[in-house]
Amino acid sequence: SSELTQDPAVSVALGQTVTITCQGDSLKNYYASWYQQKPRQAPVLVIYGENNRPSGIPDRFSVSTSRDTASLTITGAQADDEGDYYCTCRDRSDQLVVFGGGTRLTVL
Amino acid sequence: QVQIQQWGAGLLKPSETLSLTCVVSDGSFSAYSWSWIRQAPGKGLEWIGEINHSVGTNYNPSLKSRVTISLDTSKEQISLRLTSVTAADTAVYYCARGLLTTGPWGQGTLVTVSS
Repeated sequence: SSELTQDPAVSVALGQTVTITCQGDSLKNYYASWYQQKPRQAPVLVIYGENNRPSGIPDRFSVSTSRDTASLTITGAQADDEGDYYCTCRDRSDQLVVFGGGTRLTVL
Repeated sequence: QVQIQQWGAGLLKPSETLSLTCVVSDGSFSAYSWSWIRQAPGKGLEWIGEINHSVGTNYNPSLKSRVTISLDTSKEQISLRLTSVTAADTAVYYCARGLLTTGPWGQGTLVTVSS
């Protein structure tokens, strides 16, 4: 199955903009979905599809896709944005789902 | 706010069968696909498989020989069975509605495999 690759860790100063990337062949055919996970909590969907945010997710979260790379951008990062971020999408076979390894975001 | 409740045995011995169940609070059982995901201690997320009323099931190839995901339409419940567990199956197991589009996830169930 296809793999999704994420940087293990990223940091951002409070109020600045940060981008978390996810790379994989599946992203040439499918949009990524992005989950945020805080310690000892279940992951929460923050964005999916072309640029869809579930109810309650602030509009400082946005996504873009270029070829085989999906990028999650947080504009004006807040302390509450700290956590692990996972990308996920359909495998090219359309039968499976794959997760990236996760990126730990630290807000300084 | 829709909630997903899940339950099942939290401590298993090697070779036993893991069995977990989840249910959604808002009656949306038949309108979505359902997935199971696990997370080993300190590790990332691993997709186990999914079930959809119209398409059926898909499983992670690495677990396919041991996994069964099923629906109980009369009880509106989704179940996971994983046979012949080993210590490598120790993880928090999550049930998720509409994994790629909606969520939410259940609260997670820690399953520990130990002799």
